[in-house]
Amino acid sequence: GQQVMQIPQYQHVQEGEDFTTYCNSSTTLSNIQWYKQRPGGHPVFLIQLVKSGEVKKQKRLTFQFGEAKKNSSLHITATQTTDVGTYFCAGLGNQFYFGTGTSLTVIP
Amino acid sequence: GAVVSQHPSWVICKSGTSVKIECRSLDFQATTMFWYRQFPKQSLMLMATSNEGSKATYEQGVEKDKFLINHASLTLSTLTVTSAHPEDSSFYICSARRGVWGNTEAFFGQGTRLTVV
Repeated sequence: GQQVMQIPQYQHVQEGEDFTTYCNSSTTLSNIQWYKQRPGGHPVFLIQLVKSGEVKKQKRLTFQFGEAKKNSSLHITATQTTDVGTYFCAGLGNQFYFGTGTSLTVIP
Repeated sequence: GAVVSQHPSWVICKSGTSVKIECRSLDFQATTMFWYRQFPKQSLMLMATSNEGSKATYEQGVEKDKFLINHASLTLSTLTVTSAHPEDSSFYICSARRGVWGNTEAFFGQGTRLTVV
């Protein structure tokens, strides 16, 4: 079946440092979405990327969709404690699959 | 954004009993709903895709007879865990999308934490 992998699985950063998570799919995706899940909560939609090579920004968050539409990245500049949570990419291929997730811990 | 309501938010049941989880899209029609299962500190694993008026499509390894899915209307899908066992204890979460395919985001229910004792 379709595989959507994310690295790293865990990331601890000092507050103010940058953070990046990478998402890789075994198949080409028609679009990719990013979600954030706080501990004990449900995933919350962040953004969707559709076009090859697309880059979108939301304040300190930068999202990129690869040229081949098989990979994506989320970069957070100057992390804050409110950024804590697990970040999932989700790709639409044959079905709607979630990546393995990256758990971010921000140390004050 | 759109609202998806999932009920119950948590349930404890005895081994061997069945549990029904409801997923409702409150302010839009969802032709497609997805059911996921999440173990602690793991990702969401797609169990099945539910299409209104037709049989659900189950992922490989998911038992159809154990996890019964019914998508009777455009606003309601149900997941019934039959003859539950302790290993079925998990966080179950549904999501709904407007339309059939296309570039639409998924809206998630609050999730149901099932504990089988």
